[in-house]
Amino acid sequence: AQSVAQPEDQVNVAEGNPLTVKCTYSVSGNPYLFWYVQYPNRGLQFLLKYITGDNLVKGSYGFEAEFNKSQTSFHLKKPSALVSDSALYFCAVRGYNTDKLIFGTGTRLQVFP
Amino acid sequence: NAGVTQTPKFQVLKTGQSMTLQCAQDMNHNSMYWYRQDPGMGLRLIYYSASEGTTDKGEVPNGYNVSRLNKREFSLRLESAAPSQTSVYFCASRPGTGGLAFFGQGTRLTVV
Repeated sequence: AQSVAQPEDQVNVAEGNPLTVKCTYSVSGNPYLFWYVQYPNRGLQFLLKYITGDNLVKGSYGFEAEFNKSQTSFHLKKPSALVSDSALYFCAVRGYNTDKLIFGTGTRLQVFP
Repeated sequence: NAGVTQTPKFQVLKTGQSMTLQCAQDMNHNSMYWYRQDPGMGLRLIYYSASEGTTDKGEVPNGYNVSRLNKREFSLRLESAAPSQTSVYFCASRPGTGGLAFFGQGTRLTVV
């Protein structure tokens, strides 16, 4: 069955420090992987995606994610966090031969000044 | 560009009432989705449609019906609303293989 796990409900980090938001997935065949961000009372905005190719994917606002096939993970990272990065982050997966797009439960990122 | 438009933005229903949430996209996307967002539960897929005239169940389809009559529109119907259906509902659309999903701004539904 297709699924996404975000093991941390909340991640706290000081401004200027690196951040990591974890995501693991389960899907048949090759995955399409995505990260989205949601600011309060807003819809979801796309951050980055992995389709194929280089395992390190760079996205919007300085975020990047690393695809690890052996660990079935797609962790979101940023070298230096900003207070404005505080938001709710969602990981999503879709199988290669399906239109079914499944999201994780979300991780709230809090960046403290 | 309007993108993905959902109507209404807010709605209060009484238990047992019915209503239809509307979603329309102007990006000529093939796939469309309905999700609900609840605290601590993330986004859960209700139904999706790979193309006009086709629909498939997602993770939480019970209590909902959908209709994809044309490429632009994908509606979600609650036949007999229950308090457990109080949620924020998001519609999304996606182009072909590899394409990312674009989301509407959401419908906040309260069932009392």
